[in-house]
Amino acid sequence: NAGVTQTPKFQVLKTGQSMTLQCAQDMNHNSMYWYRQDPGMGLRLIYYSASEGTTDKGEVPNGYNVSRLNKREFSLRLESAAPSQTSVYFCASSEFASLSYNEQFFGPGTRLTVL
Amino acid sequence: GQQVMQIPQYQHVQEGEDFTTYCNSSTTLSNIQWYKQRPGGHPVFLIQLVKSGEVKKQKRLTFQFGEAKKNSSLHITATQTTDVGTYFCAGSSGNTGKLIFGQGTTLQVKP
Repeated sequence: NAGVTQTPKFQVLKTGQSMTLQCAQDMNHNSMYWYRQDPGMGLRLIYYSASEGTTDKGEVPNGYNVSRLNKREFSLRLESAAPSQTSVYFCASSEFASLSYNEQFFGPGTRLTVL
Repeated sequence: GQQVMQIPQYQHVQEGEDFTTYCNSSTTLSNIQWYKQRPGGHPVFLIQLVKSGEVKKQKRLTFQFGEAKKNSSLHITATQTTDVGTYFCAGSSGNTGKLIFGQGTTLQVKP
C-alpha cells in the first residue's frame, strides 16, 4: 500500500518547455487535488477532481491543465513553463465520504525549477 | 474569495516551553483541519474539527474550533525537538472537499 505517489521527484525545465507531473493513489479515493507550495504562501490549490470524470479549477489554475485519467491517476500539465511556476507541487487524495470525514493524504512532492 | 490567515509565521521556543498558533477565516467554515509538515517532507494530517466550540486533544496537542466556526488554534504543551516543523490549518466551506490552507507557522525548538 504505497498511498499517494508522484513522479518525478525533481525536475528542471527551461522557459517554454512543457511537462506532465504524474500522481497515483492506491486507496480507492474519490477526490484528488493538485497544490503548489511557495515559501510563506502555504499550499494553494491549482485544480481538483471531486470524482472520476470531473475536474474543477482551484485558486491558481492559470498556466496548468489536468487530466483525471481514471480513479487512481490525476496528472498536471504545464504547457509552456514559466519561472513563476518554480515551486514544490503536491498531489493529494481524499475519500471525501462526507464533510465530517475528508482527511487529505499527500504525496512526497515534485520540486520543479524553471530557468 | 475565502481567505485563511495564520499567525505567527515563525516561532522559536526553548524545549519545554509552550507554543500556540492561531488561524482565522474570512468566512464561516464547515470544518477545519490541521496538518504538520516536517522540513523537506509533505503535509501530514493531524486532526479535523467540525463542531462549534469543539476541543480535541492528542497527547500534548490541544486543538480548538471557535464558537463562530471562523477561528481555530493549536496549542502544544512542553514542546519537544520532535515538534519541529510547519503547522498548517486548512478550512473547508460549502459541500466540496476543497481546503483553503493558511500560510503556516514554522516552529523551531532549541534543545
